[in-house]
Amino acid sequence: LAKTTQPISMDSYEGQEVNITCSHNNIATNDYITWYQQFPSQGPRFIIQGYKTKVTNEVASLFIPADRKSSTLSLPRVSLSDTAVYYCLVAPTRDAGNMLTFGGGTRLMVKP
Amino acid sequence: KAGVTQTPRYLIKTRGQQVTLSCSPISGHRSVSWYQQTPGQGLQFLFEYFSETQRNKGNFPGRFSGRQFSNSRSEMNVSTLELGDSALYLCASMLDPRTDPKTQYFGPGTRLLVL
Repeated sequence: LAKTTQPISMDSYEGQEVNITCSHNNIATNDYITWYQQFPSQGPRFIIQGYKTKVTNEVASLFIPADRKSSTLSLPRVSLSDTAVYYCLVAPTRDAGNMLTFGGGTRLMVKP
Repeated sequence: KAGVTQTPRYLIKTRGQQVTLSCSPISGHRSVSWYQQTPGQGLQFLFEYFSETQRNKGNFPGRFSGRQFSNSRSEMNVSTLELGDSALYLCASMLDPRTDPKTQYFGPGTRLLVL
């Protein structure tokens, strides 16, 4: 399973754009990159998923370079309610089963 | 469409007891996975079920077991509870584990406290 590395914590202010980068050097050909958001004592919430280039939804954008060895989650104009832990995962391949391996995540603190 | 539901949401047990947690996946989803989350160990995979069969199992002792019913609902059981079993237990459902992308959607979790 591909291992991911992301910053332990980040601080931002309301209204700013936040970019969280994750590295996954040994990503496999048919792996997808998935980001989750988790608030204390709640289950992780799916944010966005992508394979290559750029994916955008109503919540965030995901940028993936051609070599796919990293990805960047972009949160536009964050608010206080975006304070949470953000996990970057490489979606398991068919051969590896469907176990998700969570790293430590990035603790985002949004300040007023 | 309703999300993943887990019952109960909170549970207090004493050492040596056993507990059963329940998970109802998103309608139409056929795979259910269970995870344990603790402050010290983070989120750890317990097991995955698809078509009433366990497909994968994490590195947990045999006290942790589970099953899946024909309607895809799943239960997990922990016997002879230990203090260290206190955790948030999360269930995640997936549409079909045989196709990509494999996106798992999590429930709110069951908070278990063992005294």
